[in-house]
Amino acid sequence: SQQGEEDPQALSIQEGENATMNCSYKTSINNLQWYRQNSGRGLVHLILIRSNEREKHSGRLRVTLDTSKKSSSLLITASRAADTASYFCATADYKLSFGAGTTVTVRA
Amino acid sequence: DTGVSQDPRHKITKRGQNVTFRCDPISEHNRLYWYRQTLGQGPEFLTYFQNEAQLEKSRLLSDRFSAERPKGSFSTLEIQRTEQGDSAMYLCASSLADRGDEKLFFGSGTQLSVL
Repeated sequence: SQQGEEDPQALSIQEGENATMNCSYKTSINNLQWYRQNSGRGLVHLILIRSNEREKHSGRLRVTLDTSKKSSSLLITASRAADTASYFCATADYKLSFGAGTTVTVRA
Repeated sequence: DTGVSQDPRHKITKRGQNVTFRCDPISEHNRLYWYRQTLGQGPEFLTYFQNEAQLEKSRLLSDRFSAERPKGSFSTLEIQRTEQGDSAMYLCASSLADRGDEKLFFGSGTQLSVL
C-alpha cells in the first residue's frame, strides 16, 4: 500500500495560472518530498521539507507541511506548458513511499 | 555525473520467459532502489541495497523476482517465469545516504510488456 495520497488526481489549468495539489499521509515521517514525472520517464526530485519545517520555497515552487494534520501542499506559481507532468509526494521513514500522483496539464 | 541509466528501455516477452534488467547508479551513491510502477499509479517499492547488501524486500516481491548488486556497483533485477501481471515500468533509483534528507535520483525505467 502507498503511504501518501494526492488530491486532486488530475488538474487542468491555463498557462500563467497557479497549480495547487495536496498530499495526505498516514504515519510519522522524517521528511516529505515532491517529485515530477514526465510521461514515460523517470521521476525527478523537486523539493524536500523536513518534519520540523512548515514551509519551503524553491523557484516557482512552494511547499507547506502540517504534521498535525499529516498533510502537505505543493504550489506551482505562474505555470508553464513545460510544467505538464505528474507530481508525486513521497514520505520518508527509512525508505520513500509514493502516492498515486496528481496529473497536471497546463494549456497554452 | 551521467545519472542513473537503465537497460533495456523496453522489453517485450512472452509469458513464462525469464527477463533481466540492469541498472547503473550514480557512481558515488551507496544506495540503490528498485520500484515498480503501473499506469496511473505511483512507484511501489520492491527492494533496496546499501552497497552490496540487500537490506529489504517488499512483500510484493514474489519468489520469481531476484535482485543483485555485486560489488556494490550496478544492479540486476531478474524476473523468472514472467506473468502478464508483471507488465509494468521498472524504475531504478540511487542515493547517497549519509546523514538523512536522502533524495533519490531515478533512471528512465525499463518498460516490460508480457504477452
